[in-house]
Amino acid sequence: NAGVTQTPKFRVLKTGQSMTLLCAQDMNHEYMYWYRQDPGMGLRLIHYSVGEGTTAKGEVPDGYNVSRLKKQNFLLGLESAAPSQTSVYFCASRPGTTEAFFGQGTRLTVV
Amino acid sequence: AQKVTQAQTEISVVEKEDVTLDCVYETRDTTYYLFWYKQPPSGELVFLIRRNSFDEQNEISGRYSWNFQKSTSSFNFTITASQVVDSAVYFCALSEWGNTGFQKLVFGTGTRLLVSP
Repeated sequence: NAGVTQTPKFRVLKTGQSMTLLCAQDMNHEYMYWYRQDPGMGLRLIHYSVGEGTTAKGEVPDGYNVSRLKKQNFLLGLESAAPSQTSVYFCASRPGTTEAFFGQGTRLTVV
Repeated sequence: AQKVTQAQTEISVVEKEDVTLDCVYETRDTTYYLFWYKQPPSGELVFLIRRNSFDEQNEISGRYSWNFQKSTSSFNFTITASQVVDSAVYFCALSEWGNTGFQKLVFGTGTRLLVSP
């Protein structure tokens, strides 16, 4: 059972570079989320999606874009990475009112 | 807007002590869900419990218990007879009714629990 898979698990970027984080879930869940985790800040919601083709802004959306072209995938893009985007990124999915299932996280460092 | 506050940044206890982690939430909706998650040092997020806004019964699961009080907008988590393996960061989360369903899921800043032998 794969559940929620995040790719890559680690990445180092130079300031100004772009990258895409992939989140894939095999549970046919409608809702998907991207969070970032920073020391002392908890999990902050970046963007989320309530279904294929839909996206919405969360608490800290600036500097990020997302797409949900397929129900099972939720992509998080950084167009021009900044050191402030150094963080651990978590993806999650949930079918509705039940709990969210999380990926293992992506540790991103921007130098 | 929905908000979750975990005022305790870090708690240190000695094994076998009881410990309560506080969670206070804000929401304009009458229908919502509350959650607790555990994040051990390995980093993964582990689901512990879900409670809907219409069910104020306390719940006990082994050494864990949860006290949900709508009157004070709190959903506190107690670990009885703590163990070293309980050392982790614990997050409280809130899911509020949106236009088409329970969409947003927001988390508190977490409480780091350190249990020493």
